[in-house]
Amino acid sequence: GENVEQHPSTLSVQEGDSAVIKCTYSDSASNYFPWYKQELGKRPQLIIDIRSNVGEKKDQRIAVTLNKTAKHFSLHITETQPEDSAVYFCAALDYKLSFGAGTTVTVRA
Amino acid sequence: NAGVTQTPKFQVLKTGQSMTLQCAQDMNHNSMYWYRQDPGMGLRLIYYSASEGTTDKGEVPNGYNVSRLNKREFSLRLESAAPSQTSVYFCASSPPGQGGETQYFGPGTRLLVL
Repeated sequence: GENVEQHPSTLSVQEGDSAVIKCTYSDSASNYFPWYKQELGKRPQLIIDIRSNVGEKKDQRIAVTLNKTAKHFSLHITETQPEDSAVYFCAALDYKLSFGAGTTVTVRA
Repeated sequence: NAGVTQTPKFQVLKTGQSMTLQCAQDMNHNSMYWYRQDPGMGLRLIYYSASEGTTDKGEVPNGYNVSRLNKREFSLRLESAAPSQTSVYFCASSPPGQGGETQYFGPGTRLLVL
């Protein structure tokens, strides 16, 4: 089955700096790659996604890139703000969503 | 719309006790899912139901059973709880025609097994 690895496990950035989280996947049949944000004690919420026929997608301060050949995808957050502090999960879909282990992002004021 | 709802929010069980976690969605979604979330391990799929009347095992089904009661409701049962089942359980649903892409999560049930 699909195996998703996510790095780093923790990330601390200064407010206003950029944050990058990277994920790799194993199943070349996977064709959909969402990113979820989970604030402390809350449910995961979808923040951005990308399909395998697209190389990059942006939504305001967040962007996702996909390299199908290398089987990796990344989340980029620019101009980080304190409200960006959360755990971020990547996932890949073959017949089910397989999640990475998560990255705890802390934005220092 | 309430979206995806779960009950209870928190439960403490003793080893060997049984309980059912309830999940309901009011978005007319076909597919529903049960995940468990453990520290450092992301979310792992326990069972899923692609449509009313069907259920399938996910990555970690041992020790659990599910029932898709109708299109709205999908319950998860622990017949004999074990400390290893201490976790946060999330239910999710996804719209038809997407193959399980966009998933909407419930608020979670925090379960402690002593």
